[in-house]
Amino acid sequence: GAVVSQHPSRVICKSGTSVKIECRSLDFQATTMFWYRQFPKKSLMLMATSNEGSKATYEQGVEKDKFLINHASLTLSTLTVTSAHPEDSSFYICSAFRTERNTIYFGEGSWLTVV
Amino acid sequence: QKEVEQDPGPLSVPEGAIVSLNCTYSNSAFQYFMWYRQYSRKGPELLMYTYSSGNKEDGRFTAQVDKSSKYISLFIRDSQPSDSATYLCATLSSSNTGKLIFGQGTTLQVKP
Repeated sequence: GAVVSQHPSRVICKSGTSVKIECRSLDFQATTMFWYRQFPKKSLMLMATSNEGSKATYEQGVEKDKFLINHASLTLSTLTVTSAHPEDSSFYICSAFRTERNTIYFGEGSWLTVV
Repeated sequence: QKEVEQDPGPLSVPEGAIVSLNCTYSNSAFQYFMWYRQYSRKGPELLMYTYSSGNKEDGRFTAQVDKSSKYISLFIRDSQPSDSATYLCATLSSSNTGKLIFGQGTTLQVKP
């Protein structure tokens, strides 16, 4: 079964509103989680690294104020897309680093549609 | 040169065939290698995980790492239509931050 759970799997929101996506590690603690964006038939694009108890590290070109990341506990990271616009519509995927196994597990992904 | 190179395919095989998926990498410091399977509109699923060189087998899947040639492979025996997906090779960056370096992904279609 899934070891990383992502919610919601699909969300539709109106342009200008904000939407939050949750990523949970189910049976391990993850001090580090990652957020990706994926366009159709393209590879995963890393957006940011989410660090428990500290600020996220964003990749070049990713707007920090647009994509707010919070990693308040060892099992939960959230991505909030603020003031969403249609160009933010995409597939967002989180992953969690299981340090004792040096392995990364991915969530099921969240489809965001901004109308 | 990309740190991890993977032929994007697409690769089409008949059901029952043995599938060989391959990647090369550039940094000899990489130690941990993973294969993920991603179905359309889903998150990647961890298939195989290997450390350093050698083989690892799990059911119909065998992962192989050859550090001398910086070559990693995934073999699928008795391929099934349900194996049709995109397969991503990945390695942990040498900084051990948990950041993955991916190949481009190979799209596989297994025809009944």
